[in-house]
Amino acid sequence: EDQVTQSPEALRLQEGESSSLNCSYTVSGLRGLFWYRQDPGKGPEFLFTLYSAGEEKEKERLKATLTKKESFLHITAPKPEDSATYLCAVHPGGSYIPTFGRGTSLIVHP
Amino acid sequence: GAVVSQHPSRVICNSGTSVKIECRSLDFQATTMFWYRQFPKQSLMLMATSNEGSKATYEQGVEKDKFLINHASLTLSTLTVTSAHPEDSSFYICSARGDRMGAFFGQGTRLTVV
Repeated sequence: EDQVTQSPEALRLQEGESSSLNCSYTVSGLRGLFWYRQDPGKGPEFLFTLYSAGEEKEKERLKATLTKKESFLHITAPKPEDSATYLCAVHPGGSYIPTFGRGTSLIVHP
Repeated sequence: GAVVSQHPSRVICNSGTSVKIECRSLDFQATTMFWYRQFPKQSLMLMATSNEGSKATYEQGVEKDKFLINHASLTLSTLTVTSAHPEDSSFYICSARGDRMGAFFGQGTRLTVV
């Protein structure tokens, strides 16, 4: 059974304090791994797609990396506006139905 | 990135009435659309998957007669909550994907049944 586990469940950082969020997955073939950001009361916003181990993507203060078993979302010098829930999802091979993790709730204090 | 528009963003209805939520892909053809329900501080719960022109596939425990899904075109899917009850109050989110694409999400609909 495909599984996605995100850790930690919640993370509190001071502004400027860099950290990483983890997404561990078990999937039968990986069609793609996706990171989303979700603000309260809104739909998830697409951030990155990663397809193969070793791949990295960057956007402003965020950098996503992928290995064969996990993905990391690195946040460099975060700002309060980076506060949100970050969701990870995988598309297994042979299916376009994504499996989501439960998310990491990030709070960045000024 | 691709744009998915969901409407309405908020709706309040009386018990027993039906509510329709629309999900449109604005700049791509959505071969597959997904409907989710999300409870407070919980992750997304997949309700059903629909492909254009075919019947939706519902997840276990989701009543297909309660939650009617229509994916009539490559840019539009609708979710109708029939005979709504207060326990149907929730945040409903659609997502859509085209060929060789990841899924993009709508803004979500907050349904309150009074």
